[in-house]
Amino acid sequence: EAGVAQSPRYKIIEKRQSVAFWCNPISGHATLYWYQQILGQGPKLLIQFQNNGVVDDSQLPKDRFSAERLKGVDSTLKIQPAKLEDSAVYLCASSSLDRGLSSGNTIYFGEGSWLTVV
Amino acid sequence: DAKTTQPNSMESNEEEPVHLPCNHSTISGTDYIHWYRQLPSQGPEYVIHGLTSNVNNRMASLAIAEDRKSSTLILHRATLRDAAVYYCILRYYNTDKLIFGTGTRLQVFP
Repeated sequence: EAGVAQSPRYKIIEKRQSVAFWCNPISGHATLYWYQQILGQGPKLLIQFQNNGVVDDSQLPKDRFSAERLKGVDSTLKIQPAKLEDSAVYLCASSSLDRGLSSGNTIYFGEGSWLTVV
Repeated sequence: DAKTTQPNSMESNEEEPVHLPCNHSTISGTDYIHWYRQLPSQGPEYVIHGLTSNVNNRMASLAIAEDRKSSTLILHRATLRDAAVYYCILRYYNTDKLIFGTGTRLQVFP
């Protein structure tokens, strides 16, 4: 079974430029997450989708970050304009919906997209 | 929100058992206890999870206290490949999201 695919793997941009990250979740997974992980910290949830609807985007800095999952499959996370503090690893993850309680479902993570803003 | 508390770091020798503790005194009845680990330069990976009873799988065992206010991840024989940051996470029933803390950095020495 293919895992969560992310691209690009590495990106270096100047501040005030824009960048986009792409994620292809595991086939059939209805829930998709984007996390931001700053060096030395645990991942922080930015946004959670269920199919193509947003479940939680309370931690997404909406003045510069946007994310979409138009057909309920692939997703794109965009940053515009980037700031120095956006340097981090952006992790995409997915999980399936099970009948009934889904809190026990495993979440699968991609390898992440490493962003450096200079 | 219920939170977890873990030691910042732990050390082990290869082939010895490792017990990674986690406190979650404000856990609610429908919160699952999940453990994930993150190897260097990789995304987190699932290790094990449980609700009330102790759980075993090929990677590890999870021992859950009777009052569910603490749990312990047990690696029965640590290898160098087990060196990682281990996260103990409560999986919320309502929103189905994972909230990561800072985890425990496990070092394994040959």
